[in-house]
Amino acid sequence: DVKVTQSSRYLVKRTGEKVFLECVQDMDHENMFWYRQDPGLGLRLIYFSYDVKMKEKGDIPEGYSVSREKKERFSLILESASTNQTSMYLCASSLHLGRGYGYTFGSGTRLTVV
Amino acid sequence: TQLLEQSPQFLSIQEGENLTVYCNSSSVFSSLQWYRQEPGEGPVLLVTVVTGGEVKKLKRLTFQFGDARKDSSLHITAAQPGDTGLYLCAGYTNAGKSTFGDGTTLTVKP
Repeated sequence: DVKVTQSSRYLVKRTGEKVFLECVQDMDHENMFWYRQDPGLGLRLIYFSYDVKMKEKGDIPEGYSVSREKKERFSLILESASTNQTSMYLCASSLHLGRGYGYTFGSGTRLTVV
Repeated sequence: TQLLEQSPQFLSIQEGENLTVYCNSSSVFSSLQWYRQEPGEGPVLLVTVVTGGEVKKLKRLTFQFGDARKDSSLHITAAQPGDTGLYLCAGYTNAGKSTFGDGTTLTVKP
């Protein structure tokens, strides 16, 4: 089975800190995604990547950046964490969305910024 | 931005009852996925539908894709407490990413 692993289940960070969320997938998927999930707002796409060193902005990229130096790893970076970035962060990968493969999600990282 | 509207937003039923969840849009999708998410976990893919009018069954779950590929439904027969969770639909429009609905929170009481 495809596995998407997020490095932390829970994180507590202080306002202004630089935060790194790591995501690794083990099935050679081209596409990787970062979403945040908030009550009443659903899943919102932050960034996605089609290939190594490639990245595309999603719907809410402000305050975030990403890095994809290796195919299996997609990192989300909060340059200066703020309290409004407290959320559940979900990483996902997909073989080929255009052929209906769908996403495989990680278990999520619940980030609290204090 | 394509919007996917799910209804109902919340559903609480007794074990053994049947239910249907709807996912509607004005956009045409090349494929549509349904996911189930349990508290504290990531969503898990249940099914993908691709062809207009397609019906897929997964045990007690029946998924249907609308003829025009703009909407979908999920029907659960004889719901069980283990079906409790957040059900999400997601549509793909060849733009490289999927659009998610806001989800239906289902609670099945024993």
